[in-house]
Amino acid sequence: GENVEQHPSTLSVQEGDSAVIKCTYSDSASNYFPWYKQELGKGPQLIIDIRSNVGEKKDQRIAVTLNKTAKHFSLHITETQPEDSAVYFCAASNQAGTALIFGKGTTLSVSS
Amino acid sequence: DTAVSQTPKYLVTQMGNDKSIKCEQNLGHDTMYWYKQDSKKFLKIMFSYNNKELIINETVPNRFSPKSPDKAHLNLHINSLELGDSAVYFCASSHMGLAGAGELFFGEGSRLTVL
Repeated sequence: GENVEQHPSTLSVQEGDSAVIKCTYSDSASNYFPWYKQELGKGPQLIIDIRSNVGEKKDQRIAVTLNKTAKHFSLHITETQPEDSAVYFCAASNQAGTALIFGKGTTLSVSS
Repeated sequence: DTAVSQTPKYLVTQMGNDKSIKCEQNLGHDTMYWYKQDSKKFLKIMFSYNNKELIINETVPNRFSPKSPDKAHLNLHINSLELGDSAVYFCASSHMGLAGAGELFFGEGSRLTVL
């Protein structure tokens, strides 16, 4: 089945810096790659997603890139702010397209 | 109005007991899920139901039994609780379109502590 690897597990940056989180997946049939943000005590929330027919997508300070050949995708956050501090999860759809398989998460800390 | 609501939010119980967590979504989605988040924050899928039918049952002990009375509800019953069952359980829902799984909407989680 699908396996999603996520790096790094923790990331500390200064306010205003950029943060990059990388994920790789194993199943070439996966076609949907979302990113979720989880704040303390809450459920994960979608922040951006990309489908396999697109190489890059941007939404204000957040961008995601996808390389289907290499089976990896990345989240880029520019001009980080303290409120960006949270756990970020990448995910990939399973082969049947019936569920999302999550990476192990990255704890991002943005200090002011 | 909460989109995906689950109760209870906290549950503390003794080993060997049986407990249930309830989940309801008002988004009109056709697919609901249970995910388990362990102490290391790892989110692992347990079950998925589409229109009340079980479509995913990952290697979960049969002490865990999901029940979907209708497509807006997916409850999780756990028998003979063990220490390793302590975790946060998240319910989620999505619309299963032609492109497959779409955005998951998660509940706030139910923190289960087994003593």
